[in-house]
Amino acid sequence: RKEVEQDPGPFNVPEGATVAFNCTYSNSASQSFFWYRQDCRKEPKLLMSVYSSGNEDGRFTAQLNRASQYISLLIRDSKLSDSATYLCVVRYRGFQKLVFGTGTRLLVSP
Amino acid sequence: EAQVTQNPRYLITVTGKKLTVTCSQNMNHEYMSWYRQDPGLGLRQIYYSMNVEVTDKGDVPEGYKVSRKEKRNFPLILESPSPNQTSLYFCASSSSTTTYEQYFGPGTRLTVT
Repeated sequence: RKEVEQDPGPFNVPEGATVAFNCTYSNSASQSFFWYRQDCRKEPKLLMSVYSSGNEDGRFTAQLNRASQYISLLIRDSKLSDSATYLCVVRYRGFQKLVFGTGTRLLVSP
Repeated sequence: EAQVTQNPRYLITVTGKKLTVTCSQNMNHEYMSWYRQDPGLGLRQIYYSMNVEVTDKGDVPEGYKVSRKEKRNFPLILESPSPNQTSLYFCASSSSTTTYEQYFGPGTRLTVT
């Protein structure tokens, strides 16, 4: 079983739609959680951290469920520019290492 | 401009011919890391460095070497490349206190024939 699992997609949605991705992690020692965004053939970039209480950044909402060991990313009012691959990332307690999921691809169409 | 640079961006080489991919950052970051990205496998860490002269293996270090003689540079060395090292390689750096926010270079697409 992979340490971090994501549905690869693609998720095809029209502009303006709301879309949500989930990511599950297997190691309960995972401490911190993040979402990175990667455009096609480009480098990944940090999108947002995920806090235990859930957090919002504009149209993006991230949530963490430690009991079920998953995190989610909700995108409201999708834009064409949101088309990208979204990488779920976890960091283990006491370690600097980041573990990346394989990503979920989102395609937003006009 | 704060950035991580990698060279070359694209490289086609033959099995066994030693090569080096350079990585440099201008943000005075302590932490640097190399990843490879393959379809269906995601980003996997090859080596990382917490500071000058401090390096350690990641998840897939076999066939690779690194060095950290200066804070800004972290080259990746393939002594004898093989076809299974064909991949997209990313260098990343971060502050030691915020390693979750890694700044990635633009990537090096390597093909070994």
